[in-house]
Amino acid sequence: GNSVTQMEGPVTLSEEAFLTINCTYTATGYPSLFWYVQYPGEGLQLLLKATKADDKGSNKGFEATYRKETTSFHLEKGSVQVSDSAVYFCALGNQGAQKLVFGQGTRLTINP
Amino acid sequence: DGGITQSPKYLFRKEGQNVTLSCEQNLNHDAMYWYRQDPGQGLRLIYYSQIVNDFQKGDIAEGYSVSREKKESFPLTVTSAQKNPTAFYLCASSPIAGIYTDTQYFGPGTRLTVL
Repeated sequence: GNSVTQMEGPVTLSEEAFLTINCTYTATGYPSLFWYVQYPGEGLQLLLKATKADDKGSNKGFEATYRKETTSFHLEKGSVQVSDSAVYFCALGNQGAQKLVFGQGTRLTINP
Repeated sequence: DGGITQSPKYLFRKEGQNVTLSCEQNLNHDAMYWYRQDPGQGLRLIYYSQIVNDFQKGDIAEGYSVSREKKESFPLTVTSAQKNPTAFYLCASSPIAGIYTDTQYFGPGTRLTVL
């Protein structure tokens, strides 16, 4: 079946550090891939998405590239800020299923 | 402003009582979803609906029920049969985008505590 595996957390970085959160997936067909962010006590917000191989999603300085050959969609940011502290979820949407499968989430803490 | 409303934000109930969580959207989306989130865990799908008067069980439907009488509303009832109902409940909606799974948009969530 479809599944998403995320880098184990929590992750703690200093402000202005480089961020990578790994995400790999297992799926049949050609899934869409998403990164969502959840701030404390809130719902999830879409951060970025990619719908086909080699697409790059980007938003607010975050980027992720859909790599079909490695079945990965790693999240990166060149210089993190304290305000980026949150839980990040990688998700997969398979063709026609109209459902998302979520990874377990990675808690990110940025220290000033 | 278009969006998804969940109410209340915090809900307390006694063990053995049924409780209904509200979810309303004004995005004109066809599909709506309910997820459960436990501390330190990902989201698990409870129920989803792609069209009015139709819904499907997700991965953890036991002890829950839903209805979809209107396009904009998808209430979730947590019944007394749910063995461990204390959790954060998230509602989401999505346009139906043909063969592709489109973005889901989330409400702010309801934190249910059963005493």
